[in-house]
Amino acid sequence: QVQLQESGPGLVKPSGTLSLTCAVSGGSISSSNWWSWIRQPPGKGLEWIGEIYHSGSTNYNPSLKSRVTISVDKSKNQFSLKLSSVTAADTAVYYCARIGDYNILTGYKIHYYYYMDVWGKGTTVTVSS
Amino acid sequence: DIQMTQSPSSLSASVGDRVTITCRASQSISSYLNWYQQKPGKAPKLLIYAASSLQSGVPSRFSGSGSGTDFTLTISSLQPEDFATYYCQQSYSTLRGYTFGQGTKLEIK
Repeated sequence: QVQLQESGPGLVKPSGTLSLTCAVSGGSISSSNWWSWIRQPPGKGLEWIGEIYHSGSTNYNPSLKSRVTISVDKSKNQFSLKLSSVTAADTAVYYCARIGDYNILTGYKIHYYYYMDVWGKGTTVTVSS
Repeated sequence: DIQMTQSPSSLSASVGDRVTITCRASQSISSYLNWYQQKPGKAPKLLIYAASSLQSGVPSRFSGSGSGTDFTLTISSLQPEDFATYYCQQSYSTLRGYTFGQGTKLEIK
């Protein structure tokens, strides 16, 4: 079954760039799935960061869009997150996840339902000098 | 942007109780609603997708219902392993983000 593993520096300096990678095993990143990053500040809820398809198409959280870049490396079966100009508010556990989908045909329209069905264990990133 | 509001924010219950958690969307999202369970120090786990479809491997005591703006997650008979935080998430408009609710912490009474 598909497994995800996040990796990257656990400490980033303010104003620097946070860089994380999510390695996909047990499946191909070129499958018909989107791949996503989500974060969770200490003691708080979940925030979606963005997603990527193996073609390179991306969608980002509008509140983070100006600072986020998500990319894919099909040769290494992994995808990556870069978050620039970080502050203490970016301190969080960062998760990568696979986006699964379920579709049903109603009349002549297909409805696609998306959900995060496989998650990595998460990696803690602290922004501090 | 679509806002998701869960209630209550926390809840105390006993093993064997029937528990209901509510999630309200700021606009209609049809059935584009998912539920996740998160235990301390662990990644979230998908329970319910498309408002009422049970994810494979999830016990049948979990169920979801609702459409439009109002949704519920019900646990029919609480088990010790169900004490966790639960999040709803909308996937109606993926271009503007998979918004999560603020979470409901379910604690042992």
